Amino acid sequence: GQSLEQPSEVTAVEGAIVQINCTYQTSGFYGLSWYQQHDGGAPTFLSYNGLDGLEETGRFSSFLSRSDSYGYLLLQELQMKDSASYFCVPGTGTYKYIFGTGTRLKVLA
Amino acid sequence: DVKVTQSSRYLVKRTGEKVFLECVQDMDHENMFWYRQDPGLGLRLIYFSYDVKMKEKGDIPEGYSVSREKKERFSLILESASTNQTSMYLCASSPPDNTGELFFGEGSRLTVL
Repeated sequence: GQSLEQPSEVTAVEGAIVQINCTYQTSGFYGLSWYQQHDGGAPTFLSYNGLDGLEETGRFSSFLSRSDSYGYLLLQELQMKDSASYFCVPGTGTYKYIFGTGTRLKVLA
Repeated sequence: DVKVTQSSRYLVKRTGEKVFLECVQDMDHENMFWYRQDPGLGLRLIYFSYDVKMKEKGDIPEGYSVSREKKERFSLILESASTNQTSMYLCASSPPDNTGELFFGEGSRLTVL
């Protein structure tokens, strides 16, 4: 079977740091992707972790621990435009990408 | 720029109608996907295709079928539309390198009356 867990909602203030956690149970796990989706928009790709450890892309970082079936997305120096939904997406060798319900991030001024 | 184009942004159909949602990508990607997105339910995978004429069921294929006759085009078909198929439909494509990077179209909002 497959399961995916993220917090449904996270709130933080502008300039702060926020971490969005993701735990998964996925057969044939290959790697973990993160997507951002603004209201009314399409999901856009943020990052991919194929190996354990931290990947950094500007203000965003993503972490993966395969042994713990766990990952997180770290957003630093939060801006109002970061208010969006964030999805962790486990990848498998079958290309069946499951998005789940995601985490809604609200950034307050 | 990579481009995934969905033929209609907004559609209104009647119950029982046959509905075609078209998606075209210009990136020569092998993989294509159809998702639907509903409030509180996130994105749910309907069907995906990893090659021409190949298709695999996602998590919610009931009431849908797909067609992939050409590499660049992936069609979602609602044989007999029902009100519970009112939703936002998102098409995506990806290369075969399995890095989890999907490119999405802007979505098609379907209302079934």
